[in-house]
Amino acid sequence: DQQVKQNSPSLSVQEGRISILNCDYTNSMFDYFLWYKKYPAEGPTFLISISSIKDKNEDGRFTVFLNKSAKHLSLHIVPSQPGDSAVYFCAASAQAPDMRFGAGTRLTVKP
Amino acid sequence: DTEVTQTPKHLVMGMTNKKSLKCEQHMGHRAMYWYKQKAKKPPELMFVYSYEKLSINESVPSRFSPECPNSSLLNLHLHALQPEDSALYLCASSLPGPGLIGELFFGEGSRLTVL
Repeated sequence: DQQVKQNSPSLSVQEGRISILNCDYTNSMFDYFLWYKKYPAEGPTFLISISSIKDKNEDGRFTVFLNKSAKHLSLHIVPSQPGDSAVYFCAASAQAPDMRFGAGTRLTVKP
Repeated sequence: DTEVTQTPKHLVMGMTNKKSLKCEQHMGHRAMYWYKQKAKKPPELMFVYSYEKLSINESVPSRFSPECPNSSLLNLHLHALQPEDSALYLCASSLPGPGLIGELFFGEGSRLTVL
């Protein structure tokens, strides 16, 4: 039973445009959400997080939006850069230290 | 030092072998994790140690045996594995203890092939 779902396996955008990566979850007990970025041959690295008491968190070019009623979160990257090309994982936690991951979305940013 | 170091990076073993994966961090993190990831699938949580005590065991077969000798080290002992156990095994650590969540710091992973 996959509690965190990323339904788009891949996304391609032009450099300078906005990238929007989506994530849905089924467990209403999740109260902390994170995005990780993974380059080939490396482990995932933390990008940005959001607590369930917020609906938006921004860090430079990256913004995460949380819609609790829809059990949906999204990561916006603007402007997108070629160096952003990677696999992005959504993760969620209901109780520390348990953390569950989505299957990932491969983002390709074209110059 | 903000690294999680995993060894070996690659491991090939037969179904009768006994081997171990090792993970080390020196960030003072008190939670350490093993995840298993197969191609095009999400990392699947296997085990979590919190303050050197096993706090989560996701019904992992007994052929996988975790060990946390101290707060900096995490091992995964492998015995009598099956070919379907071939995967990338990711170790991670996080700062807080029970009741708190923080970002996970991942190692590069150990790619295991079982023949």
